[in-house]
Amino acid sequence: EVQLVESGGGLVQPGGSLRLSCAASGFTFSSYEMNWVRQAPGKGLEWVSYISGTAYTIHYADSVKGRFTISRDNAKNSLYLQMNSLRAEDTAVYYCARTRAMVPFDSWGQGTLVTVSS
Amino acid sequence: DIQMTQSPSTLSASVGDRVTITCRASQSINSWLAWYQQKPGKAPKFLIYKASSLESGVPSRFSGSGSGTEFTLTITSLQPDDFATYYCQQYKSYPWTFGQGTKVESK
Repeated sequence: EVQLVESGGGLVQPGGSLRLSCAASGFTFSSYEMNWVRQAPGKGLEWVSYISGTAYTIHYADSVKGRFTISRDNAKNSLYLQMNSLRAEDTAVYYCARTRAMVPFDSWGQGTLVTVSS
Repeated sequence: DIQMTQSPSTLSASVGDRVTITCRASQSINSWLAWYQQKPGKAPKFLIYKASSLESGVPSRFSGSGSGTEFTLTITSLQPDDFATYYCQQYKSYPWTFGQGTKVESK
């Protein structure tokens, strides 16, 4: 069974940093592309970042480009999101989501809440 | 960026009703469209890919259609478990974008 478990969320001040992790199990992690998707409280879904299986290809939403860095450790079956220069508008539940052939987000974690506030 | 617009934003329906949600793209996305269902406090659940292909395990009362810029999600006979918010999402090009969501509520 595919499992994705996010961690690392919490309360951070504006301008601060946070690193999210996503632990994957139940599938060959290195063979799959991965993503971060976020959802602000009471709002819709917003794709944040994508990383290929080898980490060769990476994409970011304009709203986080230059501030967030996606990475992965295939030996540890883990996906990461380093978030710097955090803003109030980054407050959201952050989900990791798996991509498979022709399917953008076939499996999702339970999410981790990031709150940016002073 | 490709903008996705769903209608209606809210839909009131009863169990057994046929429900249709529309999703429009600001430019052609061929059939690179997915649909998701989300319940309060839960992660989204993937339903349909490539506009009309049903994910394994998803009930057959769900169906998707369309190509180019106009798409629909249809629930043929609404069940109690189907009251939720539904999102369309394009994956023709980055940034991948979602519609704003359609909440299906009980009439």
